[in-house]
Amino acid sequence: EVQLVESGGGLVQPGRSLKLSCLASGFTFSNYGMNWIRQAPGKGLEWVASISSSSSYIYYADTVKGRFTISRDNAKNTLYLQMTSLRSEDTALYYCARITTVAYWGQGVMVTVSS
Amino acid sequence: NTVMTQSPTSMFTSVGDRVTMSCKASQNVDINVGWYQQKTGQSPKRLIYWASNRDTGVPDRFTGSGSGTDFTLTISNMQAEDPAIYYCLQHNSYPYTFGAGTKLELK
Repeated sequence: EVQLVESGGGLVQPGRSLKLSCLASGFTFSNYGMNWIRQAPGKGLEWVASISSSSSYIYYADTVKGRFTISRDNAKNTLYLQMTSLRSEDTALYYCARITTVAYWGQGVMVTVSS
Repeated sequence: NTVMTQSPTSMFTSVGDRVTMSCKASQNVDINVGWYQQKTGQSPKRLIYWASNRDTGVPDRFTGSGSGTDFTLTISNMQAEDPAIYYCLQHNSYPYTFGAGTKLELK
């Protein structure tokens, strides 16, 4: 059974940093590109970042470029999102997702940016 | 960036109805579009990939069509479990972009 389990969320003050993790199981993680997608409370879905299977290609939404860093450790089957200079508008449920070929999403991890 | 415009924003329907919703891309995205269903409190679930291919286990009442800039999701026979927000996603070019969603509710 495929599972994507996010962790690392929580309440953080504006300007601070937070690192999210996504542990993958049930498929060969190193073969697939992965994504972070977020959803602010009561709002729609927003793609945040993508990373290719070997980390050769990385892309970001303009809203997070220069502040967020996506990375992966294929030996640990884990995807990461390092978030710095957090803003209130970054408050959202963050999903780890594989969206090409067979699609899988995690349950999401909540990040709240507030003083 | 490619803007995905969904319509309608919301709609009320009845069990047994045929439902059609639209997603228009601001530029050509070929067939690189997926349709997602999100029920309250749940993660999104993909129903359709490459514009018209049904994901495994998705009931055949869900049909996707279109290519280029115009895409449609049709539910042929609305069921009580289908109320949700439906999103389209283009993954033809970065940044990937979602539509704002169509909220489908029962009368």
